[in-house]
Amino acid sequence: EVQLVESGGGLVQPGGSLRLSCVASGFTFSSYWIHWVRQAPGKGLVWVSRVNNDETFTSHADSVKGRFTISRDNAKNTVYLQMNSLRVEDTAVYYCVRECDRSGNYGLDAFDVWGQGTMVSVSS
Amino acid sequence: DIQMTQSPSTLSASVGDRVTITCRASQSIRNYLAWYQQKPGKAPKLLIYEASSLESGVPSSFSGSGSGTEFTLTISSLQPDDFATYYCQQYNSYSLTFGGGTKVEIK
Repeated sequence: EVQLVESGGGLVQPGGSLRLSCVASGFTFSSYWIHWVRQAPGKGLVWVSRVNNDETFTSHADSVKGRFTISRDNAKNTVYLQMNSLRVEDTAVYYCVRECDRSGNYGLDAFDVWGQGTMVSVSS
Repeated sequence: DIQMTQSPSTLSASVGDRVTITCRASQSIRNYLAWYQQKPGKAPKLLIYEASSLESGVPSSFSGSGSGTEFTLTISSLQPDDFATYYCQQYNSYSLTFGGGTKVEIK
């Protein structure tokens, strides 16, 4: 079964740090770009970060640039999101998602596999 | 960033109704548009990619159309399992963006 499983969420104070993990199974992990998408409580979906298949390319939304870092370890089938200097507005469910290979444009495609999400709460 | 505007934000409909949701982009995104369905407490599910291609396993009652800046998602006959929130997403620009969502409620 193709699957992404996130972990690492929790409650953290403003200014604190968390590292999210996403473990993939059921597909050739090293062939796919992986993204993080977040959803604040009761709100819509927001793209956060992307990493290419061999970690030679990453990019982040302006709202998290300089604070969040995406990385991956293909030997462990795992993607990470290091989140530093967390703010109250970073509170959200964070989804790890697989970019499907349909458009032929790497980094620009729909998301065909989603994890169950991990909740990050930033509050004093 | 490309802004994606969905309408309506909420839609009340009955089982068997034909339902249409619109998504407009602030600039041309060619046909690089996806539609997702999300149920409460669950992750989104891909329904349509490249504006009109049906994802494997998705009922044929779902269809998508459009190109450029205007797109539609149509459910030809609403089923009980279809009551959910629907999001569009553009992937023409590296700063990926989603619409605000359309909640399809039971009338």
